[in-house]
Amino acid sequence: DGGITQSPKYLFRKEGQNVTLSCEQNLNHDAMYWYRQDPGQGLRLIYYSQIVNDFQKGDIAEGYSVSREKKESFPLTVTSAQKNPTAFYLCASSIDWPGLAAFFGQGTRLTVV
Amino acid sequence: QQQVKQSPQSLIVQKGGISIINCAYENTAFDYFPWYQQFPGKGPALLIAIRPDVSEKKEGRFTISFNKSAKQFSLHIMDSQPGDSATYFCAASMGETSGSRLTFGEGTQLTVNP
Repeated sequence: DGGITQSPKYLFRKEGQNVTLSCEQNLNHDAMYWYRQDPGQGLRLIYYSQIVNDFQKGDIAEGYSVSREKKESFPLTVTSAQKNPTAFYLCASSIDWPGLAAFFGQGTRLTVV
Repeated sequence: QQQVKQSPQSLIVQKGGISIINCAYENTAFDYFPWYQQFPGKGPALLIAIRPDVSEKKEGRFTISFNKSAKQFSLHIMDSQPGDSATYFCAASMGETSGSRLTFGEGTQLTVNP
């Protein structure tokens, strides 16, 4: 089945630690995205990548980093510089153009302990 | 100019009623307007989408109405069912230079009572 797989589903981070969230897609989509979801704030774009080995900052990139070494993979690292990392993180992919709606994974809930 | 404003924040409807969620945008470069449905603990799923060259699109019980001059669009859910209880997000994307990069509204939590 084609789709987007995020792992893990739940993740706990200690203060000062970096953690990496995995996102894999087998839809052969060029573009991939990371969104952060907080209650009452909708989805905010962290980073996006339209092609392999290239990525762009979104609206809230501070404290996060990404890589895009393979078309099907777009991992997100939440660094210790992110002061409020507890949130629901969503990965998505899409055909880059013509603009079409993105397809989402099932999310990773990150909690700082 | 990047914002999409969504209302209401929450909505309670009786089974069989019509649910209406509204969105407004400022940036006239937006040219694709999808709606997403999200259940708790799950990722959003595409529900229906529209481009500004049409004023209405219907898929089953779901209809998008689009008013280009007012820069507004809305989702209508006819014959609302308890299974429709979810959070709904409107979104907009800007065109070729941004691909499918989406700007989302704040979301509407819909509850359909039996």
